[in-house]
Amino acid sequence: GENVEQHPSTLSVQEGDSAVIKCTYSDSASNYFPWYKQELGKGPQLIIDIRSNVGEKKDQRIAVTLNKTAKHFSLHITETQPEDSAVYFCAASVLYNFNKFYFGSGTKLNVKP
Amino acid sequence: NAGVTQTPKFQVLKTGQSMTLQCAQDMNHEYMSWYRQDPGMGLRLIHYSVGAGITDQGEVPNGYNVSRSTTEDFPLRLLSAAPSQTSVYFCASSYSNTGQTGGTEAFFGQGTRLTVV
Repeated sequence: GENVEQHPSTLSVQEGDSAVIKCTYSDSASNYFPWYKQELGKGPQLIIDIRSNVGEKKDQRIAVTLNKTAKHFSLHITETQPEDSAVYFCAASVLYNFNKFYFGSGTKLNVKP
Repeated sequence: NAGVTQTPKFQVLKTGQSMTLQCAQDMNHEYMSWYRQDPGMGLRLIHYSVGAGITDQGEVPNGYNVSRSTTEDFPLRLLSAAPSQTSVYFCASSYSNTGQTGGTEAFFGQGTRLTVV
């Protein structure tokens, strides 16, 4: 089955700096890569996603890049704010196969004011 | 719009007890799933359903049962609770996307924190 690895496990940045979280996947059949943000005591929420036929996607301060050849994808957050502090999960899925998501182990992001 | 509703939010069980975690969604999504979240391990799929009457196993199904009699509800049953089942459980629902663009969002409930002593 699919194996998703995520790094780093914790990340501390100063407000206004950029943050980068990286994930690798093992199954070349995976074609959909969402990123979820989980705030304390809540369920994960989708913040951005990318299909395998796209190399990069941006939404305001958040961007995701995908390298299919190397099987890795990354989340980039620019101009970080204290409200960005949360746990972030990457995931990989085959869209036509039920949406069976395989999640990374999570990155706890702390943005210091 | 309630989204995905899980009950209870917290539960303490004794080893060997059984219980059912409830999950309901009001978005008419065909897909529903249960995950468990353990420290340092992300979310792992327990069971999932692609529609009423259809269920299948995920990565870590042992010790759990599911059924799906309606589109809205997808309960998770612990048959005989063990300390290894201490975890936070999330129910999620999503829709299918067979198109060439876009993705599909999994909507998660708020979670059930289960402790087995």
